Amino acid sequence: DVKVTQSSRYLVKRTGEKVFLECVQDMDHENMFWYRQDPGLGLRLIYFSYDVKMKEKGDIPEGYSVSREKKERFSLILESASTNQTSMYLCASSPHPSGGASYIQYFGAGTRLSVL
Amino acid sequence: KNQVEQSPQSLIILEGKNCTLQCNYTVSPFSNLRWYKQDTGRGPVSLTIMTFSENTKSNGRYTATLDADTKQSSLHITASQLSDSASYICVVSDANAGKSTFGDGTTLTVKP
Repeated sequence: DVKVTQSSRYLVKRTGEKVFLECVQDMDHENMFWYRQDPGLGLRLIYFSYDVKMKEKGDIPEGYSVSREKKERFSLILESASTNQTSMYLCASSPHPSGGASYIQYFGAGTRLSVL
Repeated sequence: KNQVEQSPQSLIILEGKNCTLQCNYTVSPFSNLRWYKQDTGRGPVSLTIMTFSENTKSNGRYTATLDADTKQSSLHITASQLSDSASYICVVSDANAGKSTFGDGTTLTVKP
């Protein structure tokens, strides 16, 4: 079975802190994604990556950055956390070789981040 | 703008009953449509994926239908169980950029 592991289930941070959310997948997938999920807004794409050291902005990249130094690991970084970044963050990976989110994505369990 | 609308927003049914969830989309050109199940506090898990040429796809007690002409899909759950209580998310991808548009989901509660 594909496994996508997010490092934390729950996280509480202070405004202005730098926050790292880690995601690791064990199926050698080329594509990895970071979403946030808020009530009434569905899942919104923050960033995605088709390959190591490659990243593309999604729909709401402001206030976030990402890092993909190794194929299996995709990190989401909040440079200076703000209260409006309180949300559920979901990481996903996909085996589609040419990129894009057209095919089945495998999701991690999510990280519920609270910024106080 | 690509949109995916799901209805109803929430639904309560008794265990053993059937139900149908709806998904209407405006994504064009169409590539595929997926249904996911998301348990509370967990990540979404794929139930079905359908391309343009597929009308029906089943996964156990879950059956998805697709009408590409009217841009509608439904997810039918047969003989519901308590474990079916979850949010069901419809996702549609376009054939150009490969971008996915997510619906807001339908929250299903199955009561004993």
